[in-house]
Amino acid sequence: AQKVTQAQTEISVVEKEDVTLDCVYETRDTTYYLFWYKQPPSGELVFLIRRNSFDEQNEISGRYSWNFQKSTSSFNFTITASQVVDSAVYFCALQNNAGNMLTFGGGTRLMVKP
Amino acid sequence: DTAVSQTPKYLVTQMGNDKSIKCEQNLGHDTMYWYKQDSKKFLKIMFSYNNKELIINETVPNRFSPKSPDKAHLNLHINSLELGDSAVYFCASSQDRFNEQFFGPGTRLTVL
Repeated sequence: AQKVTQAQTEISVVEKEDVTLDCVYETRDTTYYLFWYKQPPSGELVFLIRRNSFDEQNEISGRYSWNFQKSTSSFNFTITASQVVDSAVYFCALQNNAGNMLTFGGGTRLMVKP
Repeated sequence: DTAVSQTPKYLVTQMGNDKSIKCEQNLGHDTMYWYKQDSKKFLKIMFSYNNKELIINETVPNRFSPKSPDKAHLNLHINSLELGDSAVYFCASSQDRFNEQFFGPGTRLTVL
């Protein structure tokens, strides 16, 4: 069995603040894949990042960065200098090695106020 | 130009009816998925097909039956609709079962 926990159900920040969304996962696989997706108020789901378990390098993409810590089974997502357009629900997801089990966390609703 | 399309976008129906939601992707992907998102935004995978073969079949009522006539299509048929089936249903596709997924716009199903 595998599990993804996003403990923060809702976060509210003021524009230009930095914010970190937590994701903790559980799996018995040694090879697995982690994802983040964004769901803005318009409702569509947008892919943000994919990481395999052997690649622990942190990634930065513009104002977005991801911190993968295998030792703590965490894959956290930081938005620097947040903007109102970042307001959305963010999902962390875990896929097993065989590709036949995909689990999403409960999502974190981020509200960025002007 | 739409990568993953679903029809209809909205579906309002009575309890007990049978309905289908269609999904098509023009990305040439091998894997397709169906998800259910409830009112609390909880997203749960229902089915996944890889090259028309069922690879993920989560615990959903057998009133839900996916059908994949070819790699580009994965339709969802629901029999004897119940109030609890009301949700947004998302179709998605990925190049293979390990890659990022591209989602359709969702179908909001309301059962009265």
